Amino acid sequence: GAVVSQHPSWVICKSGTSVKIECRSLDFQATTMFWYRQFPKQSLMLMATSNEGSKATYEQGVEKDKFLINHASLTLSTLTVTSAHPEDSSFYICSATRRLYNSPLHFGNGTRLTVT
Amino acid sequence: DAKTTQPNSMESNEEEPVHLPCNHSTISGTDYIHWYRQLPSQGPEYVIHGLTSNVNNRMASLAIAEDRKSSTLILHRATLRDAAVYYCILCAPKRETSGSRLTFGEGTQLTVNP
Repeated sequence: GAVVSQHPSWVICKSGTSVKIECRSLDFQATTMFWYRQFPKQSLMLMATSNEGSKATYEQGVEKDKFLINHASLTLSTLTVTSAHPEDSSFYICSATRRLYNSPLHFGNGTRLTVT
Repeated sequence: DAKTTQPNSMESNEEEPVHLPCNHSTISGTDYIHWYRQLPSQGPEYVIHGLTSNVNNRMASLAIAEDRKSSTLILHRATLRDAAVYYCILCAPKRETSGSRLTFGEGTQLTVNP
């Protein structure tokens, strides 16, 4: 079946530094990928929609200059958390879908970000 | 996005069937009913989806009410590995092949007792 790979699975960084998270679709092309964030004991919150070859679409309240998204190919999207602060510590999850009508989403296993 | 309502938590015993309900009284005619589940510290996993007719796959069954205002995810024999948060989500697929945004609610935490 379809697989979405996310890397790294966890990362610890210091305040003020930037962290890049990769999301790859391993056996299918994904023109669209989605980035979610999940805080402990809460549900997933959609951050942005990543479109191959064009600018990402951000949800209301998500700072596009802080969460940089690049979708340079049909199999890779990256999320960079810039100038990270402790409040950015969270579980970041990407998802992708096959280029088929009404195809379900396939999710990565998430990246646990801890900012110290 | 149309809203869904699920119980916060449910319990089941191992090897017994589990019926997870979902209410979606404001569902529109083009909304599909999707179910995903999330195990601890993992990304969500697709379970099943349907439009009007009941659906079966290797993981579960989806029973959809005739008026489509509610649905039930059925796990026929719960195992300890089925302990997860189950999300019922409505999704109106786009005509273009770009996928659809999914808005997650709070879901149902399923506990499976040995």
